[in-house]
Amino acid sequence: NAGVTQTPKFQVLKTGQSMTLQCAQDMNHEYMSWYRQDPGMGLRLIHYSVGAGITDQGEVPNGYNVSRSTTEDFPLRLLSAAPSQTSVYFCASSYSIYRGYAGELFFGEGSRLTVL
Amino acid sequence: KQEVTQIPAALSVPEGENLVLNCSFTDSAIYNLQWFRQDPGKGLTSLLLIQSSQREQTSGRLNASLDKSSGRSTLYIAASQPGDSATYLCAVDNNAGNMLTFGGGTRLMVKP
Repeated sequence: NAGVTQTPKFQVLKTGQSMTLQCAQDMNHEYMSWYRQDPGMGLRLIHYSVGAGITDQGEVPNGYNVSRSTTEDFPLRLLSAAPSQTSVYFCASSYSIYRGYAGELFFGEGSRLTVL
Repeated sequence: KQEVTQIPAALSVPEGENLVLNCSFTDSAIYNLQWFRQDPGKGLTSLLLIQSSQREQTSGRLNASLDKSSGRSTLYIAASQPGDSATYLCAVDNNAGNMLTFGGGTRLMVKP
């Protein structure tokens, strides 16, 4: 049972480069989301999706794009990397609360990104 | 805006102690509250989820309580073990959409 899979686990970018962090889940979860974790700031929500074709912004969306073309995948795109985007990124998923589930959130192992 | 605070930020206890981790939140109109565990360099693992209508949840040696009116939750760990050493995070959902607001975490070390 793979759960939530994130790739790559580590990445180093130069300022201005673009890249995509991949996230896939095999639990048929409706909800998927991206958080970043920074020392002293905790985890903050970047973008989220309540189902295929539907995405919305979280607390810190600037500089990131997402799309949700399938239930399984929710990639996070950095358009033009900046040193302020150096962070650990976590993808998470859950069943829809509106289907009667409690909403337990499952996290991936994280992707550690350094922007030079 | 919801704010979540966890006290203490770090805690060191000898093996076998019972301990309590605290979480407070400013907006009591929550849908649920979750406690997570995070090991160094790893993702978060959900430990307990308390719905807004519930007062507590238990799993093994863990017991989480929720007092919505006072904006507080506690995570009680009984008979602590070195394997319990990790960072414990609480998070609240205000929108029933799993858009969580996290506390800063409590870093726990249990010494043999």
